[in-house]
Amino acid sequence: GALVYQYPRRTICKSGTSMRMECQAVGFQATSVAWYRQSPQKTFELIALSTVNSAIKYEQNFTQEKFPISHPNLSFSSMTVLNAYLEDRGLYLCGAREGLGNTGQLYFGEGSKLTVL
Amino acid sequence: GQQVQQSPASLVLQEGENAELQCNFSTSLNSMQWFYQRPGGSLVSLFYNPSGTKQSGRLTSTTVIKERRSSLHISSSQTTDSGTYLCAMDSGGNYKPTFGKGTSLVVHP
Repeated sequence: GALVYQYPRRTICKSGTSMRMECQAVGFQATSVAWYRQSPQKTFELIALSTVNSAIKYEQNFTQEKFPISHPNLSFSSMTVLNAYLEDRGLYLCGAREGLGNTGQLYFGEGSKLTVL
Repeated sequence: GQQVQQSPASLVLQEGENAELQCNFSTSLNSMQWFYQRPGGSLVSLFYNPSGTKQSGRLTSTTVIKERRSSLHISSSQTTDSGTYLCAMDSGGNYKPTFGKGTSLVVHP
């Protein structure tokens, strides 16, 4: 079956340092990967959408300079939170989708929880 | 842009009662998915249901595209059903999966 592994599960970092998280698709080809952040208030924000062979599209309030994403092949994506501060804390989730076009279900990893001290 | 309204925000039931969760969306629908979020945060996909009705055990999902809504029905609720239920949809145009704010379900014994 289709699985997405995300790691690390949780990280505690000092304010101003960075955290890198990785997303591995198993059993399918992740042609697109969506990175989300779930705030402590529980709302999901889309950070960016990465599609193989296309430019990564960042949502308003999120930038490549702050959240650089790599999607080098159909099974792997990574995102870094640079210079993390208190407002960056939350649960970061990657959702991967296979197939071309805009169809298909999203498979999610277990999330990477970021705590900033 | 596309918006997703999920209701109710919270629901409290006695074990054995049924639950009906709703998601309404503002744009045309390309995909609709229902998730259960575990207390640790991980998402479990319950249904991928862009149209029609699907059933799995005590869970039934119905999406009516023309009415721009999708529902999740839980029959004979159990205490283990407690948790947060989320819907996520995207319209075909911009292909950005958008989540609802979730329904927090508590089932008492």
